[in-house]
Amino acid sequence: DAEITQSPRHKITETGRQVTLACHQTWNHNNMFWYRQDLGHGLRLIHYSYGVHDTNKGEVSDGYSVSRSNTEDLPLTLESAASSQTSVYFCASTRDSTSTEAFFGQGTRLTVV
Amino acid sequence: GESVGLHLPTLSVQEGDNSIINCAYSNSASDYFIWYKQESGKGPQFIIDIRSNMDKRQGQRVTVLLNKTVKHLSLQIAATQPGDSAVYFCAERVAGNMLTFGGGTRLMVKP
Repeated sequence: DAEITQSPRHKITETGRQVTLACHQTWNHNNMFWYRQDLGHGLRLIHYSYGVHDTNKGEVSDGYSVSRSNTEDLPLTLESAASSQTSVYFCASTRDSTSTEAFFGQGTRLTVV
Repeated sequence: GESVGLHLPTLSVQEGDNSIINCAYSNSASDYFIWYKQESGKGPQFIIDIRSNMDKRQGQRVTVLLNKTVKHLSLQIAATQPGDSAVYFCAERVAGNMLTFGGGTRLMVKP
């Protein structure tokens, strides 16, 4: 079955370190998204991509970057982790620009100490 | 900025009763409104959507109502079951196929 997977599921890192969260989908979807989920804020968009080599900033992109070298993967990099980036991160994909159904991964809980 | 929000953070209902989860939105330019369900430890899961030119859409045990006059969206769940216990998010689709999510309502079903 097609799916979207995130790794790792849990990560503890120190302030200032670079961290990369992986997202892999097997649906061959063009659109991929990264959200962070914090209590009181719901899901907020970090970065998104409409296809290979395309990346765009979302609502809360400062301190994060993404790259899209193939259709299946959209890794999220925290350049220099900060305590404010402690959160649960979700990757999602949609088939195309007409689709409202986003498929989400299981999430990565990141703690920055 | 414009955002999607929810009236009630927690809703507790008896098993078998109907549930109504409400959401207020402010972006009139959205073309679709969507409801997602998130169970503990999992990512959000699509439930149902409604196009902005409709006022009602029904699915299996769920109905979404859209009132554009007062910018209000609701999700009705018939005969609520324990498996319906989760956090429910409303979302709106804005330009570029992006989703803007509200803060979430926790639904608790009492046996």
